[in-house]
Amino acid sequence: DVKVTQSSRYLVKRTGEKVFLECVQDMDHENMFWYRQDPGLGLRLIYFSYDVKMKEKGDIPEGYSVSREKKERFSLILESASTNQTSMYLCASSHGAGGLSGANVLTFGAGSRLTVL
Amino acid sequence: KNEVEQSPQNLTAQEGEFITINCSYSVGISALHWLQQHPGGGIVSLFMLSSGKKKHGRLIATINIQEKHSSLHITASHPRDSAVYICAAPGLNTDKLIFGTGTRLQVFP
Repeated sequence: DVKVTQSSRYLVKRTGEKVFLECVQDMDHENMFWYRQDPGLGLRLIYFSYDVKMKEKGDIPEGYSVSREKKERFSLILESASTNQTSMYLCASSHGAGGLSGANVLTFGAGSRLTVL
Repeated sequence: KNEVEQSPQNLTAQEGEFITINCSYSVGISALHWLQQHPGGGIVSLFMLSSGKKKHGRLIATINIQEKHSSLHITASHPRDSAVYICAAPGLNTDKLIFGTGTRLQVFP
């Protein structure tokens, strides 16, 4: 059974803390994505990666960075967490060259709900 | 204007009813996606289609390319179908997916 695993389901952090959200997929997918989901808004793309060590900004990259040192792992980093980063964070992956997901099926992780106090 | 719009936002039904959720998009697409999100957050891909119709169990997805419209149907709905259903399509001048805000479905016994 294919899987995308996110390391933490629930996190509570304080303003200014550095936060790491980890995502691991076991499907040998080329593409990996980080989205955030907020009430009343659709999923919004933060960053994506189409290969090891490659990264591309999504629609809302401000305040975030990412790391992809290995094909199976894509990390989202909040350098200095702020209250407006309280959200549900979803990692996804897909097969296929070229990076973008329009014509590739996405497999999502269970989500990480982050609260920043 | 959101490039992907869903209706209705909320939907309640009695068990056994036929359900329709609609999705309209504003640009030509390579494929449209339907996704399901249960309480707790995890999202599952239901369908990816670029023409015609696809069926999986009690779920049917259709798409009309000329009208830029897709529908997700659930036949003989069941309380376990209660979830948020999301459609997504590539945006203008990009292959990145643009997600609708979702339709929250509640099916009561």
